[in-house]
Amino acid sequence: DAMVIQNPRYQVTQFGKPVTLSCSQTLNHNVMYWYQQKSSQAPKLLFHYYDKDFNNEADTPDNFQSRRPNTSFCFLDIRSPGLGDAAMYLCATSRSPGLAGYNEQFFGPGTRLTVL
Amino acid sequence: AQKVTQAQTEISVVEKEDVTLDCVYETRDTTYYLFWYKQPPSGELVFLIRRNSFDEQNEISGRYSWNFQKSTSSFNFTITASQVVDSAVYFCALSGFNTGNQFYFGTGTSLTVIP
Repeated sequence: DAMVIQNPRYQVTQFGKPVTLSCSQTLNHNVMYWYQQKSSQAPKLLFHYYDKDFNNEADTPDNFQSRRPNTSFCFLDIRSPGLGDAAMYLCATSRSPGLAGYNEQFFGPGTRLTVL
Repeated sequence: AQKVTQAQTEISVVEKEDVTLDCVYETRDTTYYLFWYKQPPSGELVFLIRRNSFDEQNEISGRYSWNFQKSTSSFNFTITASQVVDSAVYFCALSGFNTGNQFYFGTGTSLTVIP
């Protein structure tokens, strides 16, 4: 089945120790997103790739970086995790919008990050 | 500005009751898209429905139905004969044609169905 895969599902890191979360997709969608979701809150968009074009949200901290080496994979790098970065990180994909829209996003299961 | 309001933070119903989740949106785009997602305890956001702004037809899918009213900027979601498996957080989201793929999520409504 076509899907969005995130690894690992649970990640524990230490304060200040760099961590990388990965996302892969078999949907062949050209847009990929990273969201941060804290407990009892809505997902917050960090950035997205439209093909190879990187689009950063204005309020995304510099501590968060992303790489998309090819269509299928996208990585979220947190250079120096703080306690406030503990959250669920969701990856999503979509086709680019057309005249009829068709831009629903498909989400992976998420990676729950714990910072000690 | 794009904004989605889900005024109901938490709802509890007894199994087999009907329940409606409210969603009110604000947008300046003339073409826009509305979505509902379900987030069960496992964490994955599951796509339920997309509605285009130029299509005000209501939709029914099994026990789920959606009522889109542009006049009141609302896109409400009703679950008929609720089941325990419907327990989840439900998010309404908005995407404007001119804002590309950016989603604006509401704060979610946590639904608990009591057996």
